[in-house]
Amino acid sequence: GDSVTQMEGPVTLSEEACLTINCTYTATGYPSLFWYVQYPGEGLQLLLKATKADDKGSNKGFEATYRKETTSFHLEKGSVQVSDSAVYFCALKRNYGGSQGNLIFGKGTKLSVKP
Amino acid sequence: NAGVMQNPRHLVRRRGQEARLRCSPMKGHSHVYWYRQLPEEGLKFMVYLQKENIIDESGMPKERFSAEFPKEGPSILRIQQVVRGDSAAYFCASSPQGLAGGHNEQFFGPGTRLTVL
Repeated sequence: GDSVTQMEGPVTLSEEACLTINCTYTATGYPSLFWYVQYPGEGLQLLLKATKADDKGSNKGFEATYRKETTSFHLEKGSVQVSDSAVYFCALKRNYGGSQGNLIFGKGTKLSVKP
Repeated sequence: NAGVMQNPRHLVRRRGQEARLRCSPMKGHSHVYWYRQLPEEGLKFMVYLQKENIIDESGMPKERFSAEFPKEGPSILRIQQVVRGDSAAYFCASSPQGLAGGHNEQFFGPGTRLTVL
């Protein structure tokens, strides 16, 4: 079945360091891809999304490009801040067939940014 | 416009008791999704409901769990005879219309953290 695999955490970086969180997926067809962020004690917030191959999602300095050839959607940021400390989830949603409504999530990657 | 609301935020139950989790979707949203997050895990889909209809319950355990979204009032996730393994964070999300074939965002609530003693 469809699945999402993202790099294990935790990831600890110094402020202004570069961030990459790897995400790969397995799905039939062309799913939509998402990155969600969860701050401590809160629900998930959509960070960015891409709905077709080669699309680039971006928000708050974060970017991810939908790569169909490598089935990847890696999250990147050039210079992280302490306020970026959170858990990041990669997710996909099918756009066809049954179970189109639900999101399929990776296990999450905890990011800690030190001053 | 208030976001998705869930209550209670924290719920403690003893084994064998019932747990009721409530979710009020965003104004104008008629589709609700429930997810469960076990410790150190990602979110797992449980059920997708529209008003008065269950659209997809493929992620719901076969026993003890049920969900509804009545014409009036919040969506309810009900867990009967809770066991320690039910301890988790339960998140509700809503969208303005079905996601089938579309790309509408799901907006998440803050979650209910259930602890079973």
